[in-house]
Amino acid sequence: QITLKESGPTLVKPTQTLTLTCTFSGFSLTTTGVGVGWIRQPPGKALEWLALIYWNDDKRYSPSLKSRLTITKDTSKNQVVLTMTNMDPVDTATYYCAHSRGGGVDAFDIWGQGTMVTVSS
Amino acid sequence: DIVMTQSPDSLAVSLGERATINCKSSQSVLYSSNNMNYLAWYQHKPGQPPKLLIYWASARESGVPDRFSGSGSGTDFALTISSLQAEDVAVYYCQQYYSTPHTFGQGTKLEIK
Repeated sequence: QITLKESGPTLVKPTQTLTLTCTFSGFSLTTTGVGVGWIRQPPGKALEWLALIYWNDDKRYSPSLKSRLTITKDTSKNQVVLTMTNMDPVDTATYYCAHSRGGGVDAFDIWGQGTMVTVSS
Repeated sequence: DIVMTQSPDSLAVSLGERATINCKSSQSVLYSSNNMNYLAWYQHKPGQPPKLLIYWASARESGVPDRFSGSGSGTDFALTISSLQAEDVAVYYCQQYYSTPHTFGQGTKLEIK
């Protein structure tokens, strides 16, 4: 059974750096084709794709946020970490990590419950 | 970026009736080498994470009721619920995974009439 869980601060101040950790089980991020991505949803708004890291350490980012995002993986800990610099109140959102199974299907078949992050001074 | 546009933004359908949500991509998400459309549909209920319903535009995810079906190719797609149930009230999103960023549509809110 695949599970993912997001962890990190619930409140960050403007200009600070956000670090979110996705801890997963039930799969390995060394399996060919597998990926873990991050998606966010501001209150009352749509889902926004942020970043994706693949089993081979290929990393993809949203171009609009690329300068602020870094995604890394630690396969020994079964974790994926997303950092976002220079946080702003518009970054207030629920942040999800999710699994993509590979085989060409980069859709997200299993999601974490999400973690709400508020940016406020 | 590929822009995904859904219509309508909201939809009210009677129980047992058909609901259809449309999704249009700003460029084709059909990969010619394998003739597959890189298009997924999700259901999102309040307080829950999104749930994958459909991938490859028409392949139903395991465990998804067969009243949910996906259709379309190239740039125009649809999600159809053949007989609306009360538990289908949610926001539905399409997503392309043809090229990064794997953009989502703006969502369609489905309610009971």
